[in-house]
Amino acid sequence: DAGITQSPRHKVTETGTPVTLRCHQTENHRYMYWYRQDPGHGLRLIHYSYGVKDTDKGEVSDGYSVSRSKTEDFLLTLESATSSQTSVYFCAINGGVLSGANVLTFGAGSRLTVL
Amino acid sequence: AQSVSQHNHHVILSEAASLELGCNYSYGGTVNLFWYVQYPGQHLQLLLKYFSGDPLVKGIKGFEAEFIKSKFSFNLRKPSVQWSDTAEYFCAVSPMNRDDKIIFGKGTRLHILP
Repeated sequence: DAGITQSPRHKVTETGTPVTLRCHQTENHRYMYWYRQDPGHGLRLIHYSYGVKDTDKGEVSDGYSVSRSKTEDFLLTLESATSSQTSVYFCAINGGVLSGANVLTFGAGSRLTVL
Repeated sequence: AQSVSQHNHHVILSEAASLELGCNYSYGGTVNLFWYVQYPGQHLQLLLKYFSGDPLVKGIKGFEAEFIKSKFSFNLRKPSVQWSDTAEYFCAVSPMNRDDKIIFGKGTRLHILP
């Protein structure tokens, strides 16, 4: 998708291993988000960032950490993956109200399976 | 904190039927409201949004939504659905001028019978 890419797109890992998902944007948007999508739960916000090195927790942040050292990259880390973290993870970006475009643009998703 | 409730988890309609999907939100202040759609195997795309002004907003593919402030509702409508409307629909809300917190409902899975 134009402007936002996620990697890897698919990953299978074992319980207890660390996993890092990467979100890269070329839009220079201020805001970046990580959501997880699960049947019956819709989209739930994990963490978000409002600038370089500025991040905050969402609804379901336990077991996840994030980092944003550059405007274009937002990393989601599972320090020790568990089966309950099997999900599809979506990154989203947002130019914000001041940009006149307070609308989320989503990446294609990363499907993670924890065995 | 804001929250979003979508009343219907799964809706099945025949082609040409009219559609209305319910969405209610909980938040004490002014909000921005959104409907997103996710077609099978794809990522979420914006269907329409409400920021201010006319409470009846029109989106892509013939969809519209009406913001009723007194009911804290933002229901999605389409007069005549098509098979290609089969998808999952998500309502979302964010406090006005707060770009950091955009919260989604659990989604409504719409299945259109040909």
